[in-house]
Amino acid sequence: KNEVEQSPQNLTAQEGEFITINCSYSVGISALHWLQQHPGGGIVSLFMLSSGKKKHGRLIATINIQEKHSSLHITASHPRDSAVYICAVQRFQGGSEKLVFGKGTKLTVNP
Amino acid sequence: DTGVSQNPRHKITKRGQNVTFRCDPISEHNRLYWYRQTLGQGPEFLTYFQNEAQLEKSRLLSDRFSAERPKGSFSTLEIQRTEQGDSAMYLCASSHTPRGAIYNEQFFGPGTRLTVL
Repeated sequence: KNEVEQSPQNLTAQEGEFITINCSYSVGISALHWLQQHPGGGIVSLFMLSSGKKKHGRLIATINIQEKHSSLHITASHPRDSAVYICAVQRFQGGSEKLVFGKGTKLTVNP
Repeated sequence: DTGVSQNPRHKITKRGQNVTFRCDPISEHNRLYWYRQTLGQGPEFLTYFQNEAQLEKSRLLSDRFSAERPKGSFSTLEIQRTEQGDSAMYLCASSHTPRGAIYNEQFFGPGTRLTVL
């Protein structure tokens, strides 16, 4: 079993819909990251969370440390939000802070 | 552009050839990470540097792989005797991580896509 599980794997929505992507993890972490990857490979950091909730524009990320679960919400989705969204956890292990990634959720927003 | 850059962006090679990729991190970032991503999967950790010191290597990094960061700035990743299974996107990320920090924000480059024929 992967240490980081995301659901759903694929998500198709109509423009304007509210989107939720879920991430569960099985290990103790120091932080959880939500990343966006567009076709062509570039990865952009959206959020870094260690507790609670963060909001940036139409994006909201929440984390429940006790339940080992995080969600990424997109309000008023737009076709330009179409991308792969990746959850990654960071564990403090001897100082590397390497990221352990989920497989990603491919989001397609249709006009 | 002051972001992380990687060269080349694409590399096609024949099985058995050696390839080398370069990563230029954000200036003054002390940590540099290499990840590998195969189609439909999330990235996987390969190795990381604290300044010029290579401090951790994944068991994914076979003897055919070697990485360097000679002056604590840019890094190179070399794959010798490439195999078809090496075909992947190779991603570099950098961060400024203060001593004692337990997490950091990593800034990713655009990646180098390797195709081994």
